[in-house]
Amino acid sequence: AQTVTQSQPEMSVQEAETVTLSCTYDTSESDYYLFWYKQPPSRQMILVIRQEAYKQQNATENRFSVNFQKAAKSFSLKISDSQLGDAAMYFCAYRIQTGANNLFFGTGTRLTVIP
Amino acid sequence: ETGVTQTPRHLVMGMTNKKSLKCEQHLGHNAMYWYKQSAKKPLELMFVYSLEERVENNSVPSRFSPECPNSSHLFLHLHTLQPEDSALYLCASSLSLQATYNSPLHFGNGTRLTVT
Repeated sequence: AQTVTQSQPEMSVQEAETVTLSCTYDTSESDYYLFWYKQPPSRQMILVIRQEAYKQQNATENRFSVNFQKAAKSFSLKISDSQLGDAAMYFCAYRIQTGANNLFFGTGTRLTVIP
Repeated sequence: ETGVTQTPRHLVMGMTNKKSLKCEQHLGHNAMYWYKQSAKKPLELMFVYSLEERVENNSVPSRFSPECPNSSHLFLHLHTLQPEDSALYLCASSLSLQATYNSPLHFGNGTRLTVT
């Protein structure tokens, strides 16, 4: 079964501090892509960062970076210098190559940023 | 400009009503998707269209009926819904069905549906 586990339903961080959101997944595929999506109160799912599973180098996008551990099937998101606008639900997801139903999401982590 | 626009933003309907959700993408994508988002559950894929052809119907009850008249528009027709169908319905699009680095899904703002 294809599953994504986000073990932290809620997290909080002080403004300007760093926070790490955890994600583990389970797939038997060897080639796939990993994503973190952000869903603010506007409800739109916004792509934050993506990682190709065959690349060992961790992806970075400005204040957002990932720690990808393929053997452990772990894909955590680090947010540096947290800002009030980072408050949102964060969803971890991965997409495999086969089939049309090929994108699998976790249940999300609600991040609160404390001023 | 989000690239993927959904209307209406909110919808309240009775169990005997018929309504439709609309999705439009301005990204030139070839694949479009309907997802259902319920609290504390992973997103559930409902339907997938590629080049206007349905390629996935994920065991969705027939009271949900999708329509894709062209690659830019996607509808979800609703009739005789149940209260448990209340949820956020998200539309998404991607360049292609194939998982590539340049083909992530882009989502709309969703329609919050309440069935009374």
